[in-house]
Parts: sequence; structure tokens; C-alpha cells
Amino acid sequence: GAVVSQHPSRVICKSGTSVKIECRSLDFQATTMFWYRQFPKQSLMLMATSNEGSKATYEQGVEKDKFLINHASLTLSTLTVTSAHPEDSSFYICSASGGPQSSYEQYFGPGTRLTVT
Amino acid sequence: AQTVTQSQPEMSVQEAETVTLSCTYDTSENNYYLFWYKQPPSRQMILVIRQEAYKQQNATENRFSVNFQKAAKSFSLKISDSQLGDTAMYFCAFMKPRGGSNYKLTFGKGTLLTVNP
Repeated sequence: GAVVSQHPSRVICKSGTSVKIECRSLDFQATTMFWYRQFPKQSLMLMATSNEGSKATYEQGVEKDKFLINHASLTLSTLTVTSAHPEDSSFYICSASGGPQSSYEQYFGPGTRLTVT
Repeated sequence: AQTVTQSQPEMSVQEAETVTLSCTYDTSENNYYLFWYKQPPSRQMILVIRQEAYKQQNATENRFSVNFQKAAKSFSLKISDSQLGDTAMYFCAFMKPRGGSNYKLTFGKGTLLTVNP
């Protein structure tokens, strides 16, 4: 149990376009979902935390108008990178908590590699 | 703010031998959770082991065990009988429980472990 999926696994988009990444909890209802960004050979940096039906809480330095997060249901959160630029190229990982083991443990998706050309 | 320090950027070990990865953290909290995650080349984050700070007994999961020293704020991971599949980036992480379900993880910078045949 406690499987989290992400779609797409990799995406290439042109500079100036927007791209949406989906994060789904497949077999549990996720009370909270988290979005991380990971640059090559670096650690995970938390971008934002979202609860179903409410606005996301962004970490300091993360532009909320640039990275739009929607948590429309207990099993789906989306991250939209608006007007993407090459510097937005990165590996984006989501996680979800509220699974069968405990309310706090985070279950991670497989990640999405975004390349902006 | 909590900080997590992993002082070993890279380590290597021979197959079947034992290796210990170090992690220290800084917090003024008394109750918290600590985790070790593994990120293999696939980049899927995998939970290796967790420790609740209120538990004095060190957590173990098969070949993986921790040495949790609360007073010293140290949380090292020991991998016994190392296997080639253990080759991965290992992240130590801290979580402070807070009201509601917004349990945020703070990650260390990671230790790249290579298991040699």
C-alpha cells in the first residue's frame, strides 16, 4: 500500500510555455501533499505544502505565481510551472502523507524530470 | 530552524562489509522523528528506517540499524552485509510534528554510498 504516482515522468517544453505535473495517491487519501525540487547531486528542497481544498503554503523564496499548486481532492495535487524558463529545469518530486502507516509519514512519487529548452 | 548535517559527501564499502553513515541535527524540540531515505539511480525516494525521538531503543530493519544519541543529536545509519543494490544516495531527515498534518521534512545534503564488488 501507500503508492504515489507522478505524471509525466519526464517532460520537455519550450521556454515561455506552462507545464503541469500531476501527483496522485493511488491507494490512500492524502491529507497533505508536498512538492520538492532537486537539482543534480543535491538534496531535496521543499517548495510548498498543500492540503486538500485550501491554498498551498510556499517556502520562503518560492514564487507562488510561478509554481501554481492545486490540491483539488484527497488523491490529486498538481504543480503547474508557468512561463517556464531554462532555469526551471529540474527534477520535481511530490510526496503525500496520511497513509496507512501513520499520519506523518511521507510517501514519495517517482519524480518528474522537467527540461525547458 | 532545524538543520541536518551529513558530513560525508561520499563513501565506499566492499560488498558484504559494514558501513556507517553519520548524521547530526540541531533542534530545540524534545519530540520529533528522524528518518533515513535511500535514493538509488532511479531517483525514487525509499524509506530505509525511522526513529521516534521518545523511543530510547534504536530502530532496526533487517540489515539496517541506527545509533540514535539524543543528547548528542546524532543519528547514524549502519548497513551490515552491504549489497550491490545498496549503492545509492542516502539522506538523513528530520521532522518536527506540528499541529494538524503539516509534517515537513528537513533533509541533509546526502551521502553517496558506493558498494564495490
